[in-house]
Amino acid sequence: SQQGEEDPQALSIQEGENATMNCSYKTSINNLQWYRQNSGRGLVHLILIRSNEREKHSGRLRVTLDTSKKSSSLLITASRAADTASYFCATDAISGSNYKLTFGKGTLLTVNP
Amino acid sequence: DSGVTQTPKHLITATGQRVTLRCSPRSGDLSVYWYQQSLDQGLQFLIQYYNGEERAKGNILERFSAQQFPDLHSELNLSSLELGDSALYFCASSQGVAGGTGELFFGEGSRLTVL
Repeated sequence: SQQGEEDPQALSIQEGENATMNCSYKTSINNLQWYRQNSGRGLVHLILIRSNEREKHSGRLRVTLDTSKKSSSLLITASRAADTASYFCATDAISGSNYKLTFGKGTLLTVNP
Repeated sequence: DSGVTQTPKHLITATGQRVTLRCSPRSGDLSVYWYQQSLDQGLQFLIQYYNGEERAKGNILERFSAQQFPDLHSELNLSSLELGDSALYFCASSQGVAGGTGELFFGEGSRLTVL
């Protein structure tokens, strides 16, 4: 079952613009992670934000987490054509006696040169 | 290169058959995860192993089984294959520290086509 739901499902922007993707989830989480996937390739970890953190930066990436609203956003600034990929949020939550990392269906980002 | 190796990269087989997918985790990683990615279901968690033992189970069908060997490589066995099992199967690994799931390192996947 999907825990995180990304919004929008697809986003098309011009190079140099900023891209914002949102993720909503349903249950309490331990952490939230964002991954990137180029078409048909393996996923690559971008950033992890813990449940007690509100904002995190990594290069051109900025992630926010609002646990009261059960939502997160990923901002990519000054986008490049090479940023074209699918972006997934993944929520780490306790399930029974173990943690499970559950992925959303992703946002397909297209950056036009 | 994530350091996670999956074989085979592509596999085409017929309904009713059985296949084995293999995964070598990143050096030093004790946890191995298997995920299935299909267009309609997205990325579904199947199962996790930690240092040879099953740690967490997700939406894994009874026709599927997995194990992690003493050298930490893992195999996912899919039997009585159906058309709907066609998907990209990913293995991922992590250090497996306590207190939650950290960063996962994904392999390039095994694309299974069932005809």
